[in-house]
Amino acid sequence: DAGVIQSPRHEVTEMGQEVTLRCKPISGHDYLFWYRQTMMQGLELLVYFNNKAVMDDSGMPKDRFSAKMPNASFSTLKIQPSEPRDSAVYFCASSPPAGGMETQYFGPGTRLLVL
Amino acid sequence: SQKIEQNSEALNIQEGKTATLTCNYTNYSPAYLQWYRQDPGRGPVFLLLIRENEKEKRKERLKVTFDTTLKQSLFHITASQPADSATYLCALVLNQAGTALIFGKGTTLSVSS
Repeated sequence: DAGVIQSPRHEVTEMGQEVTLRCKPISGHDYLFWYRQTMMQGLELLVYFNNKAVMDDSGMPKDRFSAKMPNASFSTLKIQPSEPRDSAVYFCASSPPAGGMETQYFGPGTRLLVL
Repeated sequence: SQKIEQNSEALNIQEGKTATLTCNYTNYSPAYLQWYRQDPGRGPVFLLLIRENEKEKRKERLKVTFDTTLKQSLFHITASQPADSATYLCALVLNQAGTALIFGKGTTLSVSS
């Protein structure tokens, strides 16, 4: 398996622009997670899906962030409008159906810089 | 308040020595705990998992301990090598399904030859 795939790997945009990050989870994994990593805050969970349904989005600023999973093999995280404080590395992770004590498999991340 | 702390941001050791990384937490009751390795420009990679009722877990040169009374996990790398240089993250897993993870900020280990 190719692992979790994310695109783009790098994104530079100007404040106020819309940004869309994409993720393809590992085939057969029911769970998909979006994280944000910064030096100050570390790795923080934004939102996660189970079988394409949002289970918890309490970590996501809902005024400007939105996450979708239209099918089992694709998810997007959209930021509109983007702000400089959104600059971070965004990771997508997936994990298999819950059987207890699952681990998460992370993608390579998207490095976002908002000017 | 709830906190998870890793002992230091950076740890420098010589090749062949044992590296010991610490993860402390307060006000959480994790179901289990995980350790991840993160290399520059890459996502975290799972290394080891230890349950709350396990005292110690080993995998090759890696050893993890978990003391729920002290609210502390220790991560050891024996006979360290320059290739072990990376950032190591501990993660408290708050539910059995593994969907509620709280990550520490990590310790960057540098092993010099």
